[in-house]
Amino acid sequence: DGGITQSPKYLFRKEGQNVTLSCEQNLNHDAMYWYRQDPGQGLRLIYYSQIVNDFQKGDIAEGYSVSREKKESFPLTVTSAQKNPTAFYLCASSSTGGDYYEQYFGPGTRLTVT
Amino acid sequence: LAKTTQPISMDSYEGQEVNITCSHNNIATNDYITWYQQFPSQGPRFIIQGYKTKVTNEVASLFIPADRKSSTLSLPRVSLSDTAVYYCLVGGFSGGSYIPTFGRGTSLIVHP
Repeated sequence: DGGITQSPKYLFRKEGQNVTLSCEQNLNHDAMYWYRQDPGQGLRLIYYSQIVNDFQKGDIAEGYSVSREKKESFPLTVTSAQKNPTAFYLCASSSTGGDYYEQYFGPGTRLTVT
Repeated sequence: LAKTTQPISMDSYEGQEVNITCSHNNIATNDYITWYQQFPSQGPRFIIQGYKTKVTNEVASLFIPADRKSSTLSLPRVSLSDTAVYYCLVGGFSGGSYIPTFGRGTSLIVHP
């Protein structure tokens, strides 16, 4: 089955530690995105990538970093510079063709930093 | 990027039709309108997309008036499982990249 996987589903870290969230897709999509969602809020864009080896900052990129070495993978690192990292993180992918508007989301990773 | 305005919350009962309206006064000529559904602790799921008039699929209908400054998502005969947050997105192209913007959405609660 085609889809997006994120791991782990729940993640706990201590303050000051960097943590990397995994996102893999087998939909052959060129575009991939990372969003952050806080309770009762919409999704805010962290980073996006339209093609391998290229990515752009979204609205709230400070304290985060990404890489796009393979088409299928777009890992997100939450660094110790992120002031309030506890949140629900969602990865998405989409085609850059005619159905570009339809994003496919993973199940999300809930990160708790104490 | 076009800004959207939706009601924060709505209540309905099983079997009723639900209409959620989204305002997007500064929609651009080539912007499409897209709706997503999100259940708690899950990623959003695409529902429907349209440009003008009416679009219908197996899940919902989307009504877009001629001036395209608003759109209405219609869910026929809702059930308890339709309780979710519904997001309206408009446009999203910036510098050649599609960058959709999710607002706070409309929280729909369906009662027995």
